[in-house]
Amino acid sequence: AQSVTQLGSHVSVSEGALVLLRCNYSSSVPPYLFWYVQYPNQGLQLLLKYTSAATLVKGINGFEAEFKKSETSFHLTKPSAHMSDAAEYFCAVSPGGLHNNNDMRFGAGTRLTVKP
Amino acid sequence: DGGITQSPKYLFRKEGQNVTLSCEQNLNHDAMYWYRQDPGQGLRLIYYSQIVNDFQKGDIAEGYSVSREKKESFPLTVTSAQKNPTAFYLCASSILASAVQETQYFGPGTRLLVL
Repeated sequence: AQSVTQLGSHVSVSEGALVLLRCNYSSSVPPYLFWYVQYPNQGLQLLLKYTSAATLVKGINGFEAEFKKSETSFHLTKPSAHMSDAAEYFCAVSPGGLHNNNDMRFGAGTRLTVKP
Repeated sequence: DGGITQSPKYLFRKEGQNVTLSCEQNLNHDAMYWYRQDPGQGLRLIYYSQIVNDFQKGDIAEGYSVSREKKESFPLTVTSAQKNPTAFYLCASSILASAVQETQYFGPGTRLLVL
């Protein structure tokens, strides 16, 4: 079975500072990995996904994430935070191979606050 | 515009009452999902459906029921057996449930509160 751990339920950065949201996964098979963003009282929106192609994945709104198999990590970064980045971020993992998408597992989420 | 709609945005349930949450998609997706979101716990899968007239229990199906009579629609009923229904409910869909790399697209959610 696969699982996701997001380190830090709350992260606060200043506007213009680096954003780093941490995600570690556990999977018995090569995983597919996703980052979603959720604004207050809204659904989740896909930021980016890793599906065994390039290990550095670029997403929307200037975010990117790097798959590191040796560290079982898929951390999300953005060089310069903007006020509009304030939201909750979820990391998710799906098993590779002959499994169904219903096996997707979500982390508990990290709330990002951006200070002016 | 294609997307997923959920209604109502807010729903109030009285003790012993069944309530139904609506989810509709016009993306022509085969698979649909219901998740429950509680603070600090991420998303937990309630039910999923890979095809019309078929659905499977997820991790926390007790106290919930679903139907999939049309490809576009996947309503969720929260029954009186669900003793702690207060949560944010999210519906999602994907092109094919059998393709694990397929993105799940989410609706805007329904917040259920108990009176």
